[in-house]
Amino acid sequence: QVTLKESGPVLVKPKETLTLTCTVSGFSLSNTRLGVSWIRQPPGMALEWLANIFSSDQKSFSPSLRSRLAISRDSSKGQVVLSMTNVDPVDTATYFCARLQETWGGVFDLWGQGTIVTVSS
Amino acid sequence: SSELTQDPAVSVALGQTVRITCQGDSLRSYYASWYQSKPGQAPVLVIYGKNNRPSGIPDRFSGSSSGNTASLTITGAQAEDEADYHCNSRDRSGNHLWVFGGGTKLTVL
Repeated sequence: QVTLKESGPVLVKPKETLTLTCTVSGFSLSNTRLGVSWIRQPPGMALEWLANIFSSDQKSFSPSLRSRLAISRDSSKGQVVLSMTNVDPVDTATYFCARLQETWGGVFDLWGQGTIVTVSS
Repeated sequence: SSELTQDPAVSVALGQTVRITCQGDSLRSYYASWYQSKPGQAPVLVIYGKNNRPSGIPDRFSGSSSGNTASLTITGAQAEDEADYHCNSRDRSGNHLWVFGGGTKLTVL
């Protein structure tokens, strides 16, 4: 069974760094043509794609957040880590990780349940 | 602002057909994917590519595309289809970037 599960802090203070971990099972992060993306959804708002990492270690980031994001993977642990620096209350959201299949231009075929992050002092 | 535009809300009578649309320049080059999301649950892929359904998705869900508009059609909507529906595609730049629409809240009456 393929699963993805997000973990990380529930509450983060403004200007701090948010670090989230996506732990996957049922597939390998070394599998070609597969990537893992982070996507967020602020309360009452749209989904927003943040970043992706492929098995080749190729990384891509949302242009509007590129300067604040970092993404890495540890295939041996089945984990993908997203870091976001200098957080602000507008970064309050549910953060999802999702598996990306490169077919058809890129399809997020499986998602985690999401983890809710609140940015507040 | 999203580069993919969706109507914020759509309603449909139980058993009737509803079309949810998504507009954007990237759709002239890339297929849209569609996701169903319900509160507290993981979003679920319902349509991808030309008109493909993942295993387990009922055949009442279908997709189509024309020009800069992609559509998700539910034929014979059921109560359990009440959810938010999000379209997404690769960014029009062709780089490894992706965009989502604003989402459509579907109400089944």
